[in-house]
Amino acid sequence: AQSVTQLDSHVSVSEGTPVLLRCNYSSSYSPSLFWYVQHPNKGLQLLLKYTSAATLVKGINGFEAEFKKSETSFHLTKPSAHMSDAAEYFCVVSSGGGADGLTFGKGTHLIIQP
Amino acid sequence: AAGVIQSPRHLIKEKRETATLKCYPIPRHDTVYWYQQGPGQDPQFLISFYEKMQSDKGSIPDRFSAQQFSDYHSELNMSSLELGDSALYFCASSPRGAGVRDTQYFGPGTRLTVL
Repeated sequence: AQSVTQLDSHVSVSEGTPVLLRCNYSSSYSPSLFWYVQHPNKGLQLLLKYTSAATLVKGINGFEAEFKKSETSFHLTKPSAHMSDAAEYFCVVSSGGGADGLTFGKGTHLIIQP
Repeated sequence: AAGVIQSPRHLIKEKRETATLKCYPIPRHDTVYWYQQGPGQDPQFLISFYEKMQSDKGSIPDRFSAQQFSDYHSELNMSSLELGDSALYFCASSPRGAGVRDTQYFGPGTRLTVL
């Protein structure tokens, strides 16, 4: 069975400073990992995905994530936060093995201080 | 680029009523997934379809049913609605060609309120 743990329910940073959203996963299979973002009252938008190619994955809007198998982590980073980055971020695992459904973390609420 | 379309976007129903949610996948995507997101919760997988056949089943209540049609659109039917069914319902689609690890692209969601 697969699971995802997002280590922080809320993260607050100042505009222009780096962002780090932490995610650890557990999977019986070689996982595919994703980060999705959800702005208030909006749908889920894919930021980036890891599918066993390069361990450093670049996504949209300047976000990137690094897959570390030894640490079972897939942390999301951005060098410089923008006010428009304020949203809920979900780390997601898809482990295959015949299972279709994605397993979501509980989410991290990113707050950007002016 | 075309995205997943869901209708209606908002729906208000009374307890014990029935609701039908519709999902139109991205063109050439043959797999559809349904998720339920309660207030302040993470999305939970309900059910999926591939080529009009049920592919996988998650935590979908027996009061709910779904199907995928020949044009690949899907409908989620919800009967005997309860207050706890109030949630945001997402549909996602993906191409199945490379297997179940294909990225799922989400629609904007249908917000169901049960009074």
